[in-house]
Amino acid sequence: QVQLVQSGAEVKKPGASVKVSCKASGYTFTSYYMHWVRQAPGQGLEWMGIINPSGGSTSYAQKLQGRVTMTRDTSTSTVYMELSSLRSEDTAVYYCARDLIAGFAFDIWGQGTMVTVSS
Amino acid sequence: QSVLTQPPSASGTPGQRVTISCSGSSSNIGSNTVNWYQQLPGTAPKLLIYSNNQRPSGVPDRFSGSKSGTSASLAISGLQSEDEADYYCAAWDDSLNGPGVFGTGTKVTVL
Repeated sequence: QVQLVQSGAEVKKPGASVKVSCKASGYTFTSYYMHWVRQAPGQGLEWMGIINPSGGSTSYAQKLQGRVTMTRDTSTSTVYMELSSLRSEDTAVYYCARDLIAGFAFDIWGQGTMVTVSS
Repeated sequence: QSVLTQPPSASGTPGQRVTISCSGSSSNIGSNTVNWYQQLPGTAPKLLIYSNNQRPSGVPDRFSGSKSGTSASLAISGLQSEDEADYYCAAWDDSLNGPGVFGTGTKVTVL
């Protein structure tokens, strides 16, 4: 079946970096854009960025520019999201999500990865 | 700081109709399609409506979406206890706010 499986929870210190993976299966990896969305505890959804698994092009939320990097490995059907210079405000559940129609319609979501930033 | 504004809460009794609004601007809702997500506690969001008014396979027809100008709405008719969840609108944004933005979210309570 179509699914996205993310890597496990992470605990990081302020200033460190974290890299979360999202492995796709059950469909043609290069046919759908992938997004990353995060949700801080008790807060709403925040869009982080998008990657085209076919060519690797990316676009990021302005507030994260310079700290976030999204990449992909077509040989393993995996996308990655790396966030650097972590601060406490980055504590959140991070989701990858497949875009059904390249129109911000996310039909398949990963299970989420909890990233905790604490000294 | 979301640019799509939703009411923080909405409620209704079983069987009632509940409507959630999503207010944006010309750079997002005014020029792009709107999608809606349902998030049950402790779970990943689920796509409820895409392209303003389309339901993915498996979503009950009790859920419907509409858009007019720079605003959109999600309606839940025949409210059921399992509809108690958080709901978010979302759209592309052509300004520096984007390119992707979510609404502030609405908590629906079934009384």
